[in-house]
Amino acid sequence: RKEVEQDPGPFNVPEGATVAFNCTYSNSASQSFFWYRQDCRKEPKLLMSVYSSGNEDGRFTAQLNRASQYISLLIRDSKLSDSATYLCVVTHNTDKLIFGTGTRLQVFP
Amino acid sequence: DTEVTQTPKHLVMGMTNKKSLKCEQHMGHRAMYWYKQKAKKPPELMFVYSYEKLSINESVPSRFSPECPNSSLLNLHLHALQPEDSALYLCASSPRGLRDEQYFGPGTRLTVT
Repeated sequence: RKEVEQDPGPFNVPEGATVAFNCTYSNSASQSFFWYRQDCRKEPKLLMSVYSSGNEDGRFTAQLNRASQYISLLIRDSKLSDSATYLCVVTHNTDKLIFGTGTRLQVFP
Repeated sequence: DTEVTQTPKHLVMGMTNKKSLKCEQHMGHRAMYWYKQKAKKPPELMFVYSYEKLSINESVPSRFSPECPNSSLLNLHLHALQPEDSALYLCASSPRGLRDEQYFGPGTRLTVT
């Protein structure tokens, strides 16, 4: 089993739709969690840190479920510009960082 | 300023060449990173510098040699690379370490011929 797993997609959704991604992790000692987005041939950009209490930034909501060992990202009212690959990142201790394989989202008109 | 800069943007080198990739940040971050990314794959961590000291080397071959001259600069020296080393090399920084959010540079696209 991979340490961090994501559904690769692609998720094809119409503009205005709500879409959710999950990312599961295997190490219960994992401590920090992030979502990044990466456009084709560009660098990853931080989207959100993920906290135990959940956090929201505009149309984006991130949740952490430690009991089931997954994090989620919800995108409401999808825009064409949301089309990208979404990467989850998990760190534990001070010496381990793992990217998930990414979930590709394509929003169509 | 949340910018990490990298030079060059593109690099083509032969297997006998020696070249260097450069990375700079002025956010006062104390941790800096090198990643390698192949097409359609996530970034793979190569090296971590924390407070200008190498803290993580993810079993990277010695033909890649990192250097941190000061807290704002990070170099990656390349020598005797193989064609399979062709990839996007990304630099990133974070305030203190792996538990913090990272800011990535635009990367150097390296082709080894």
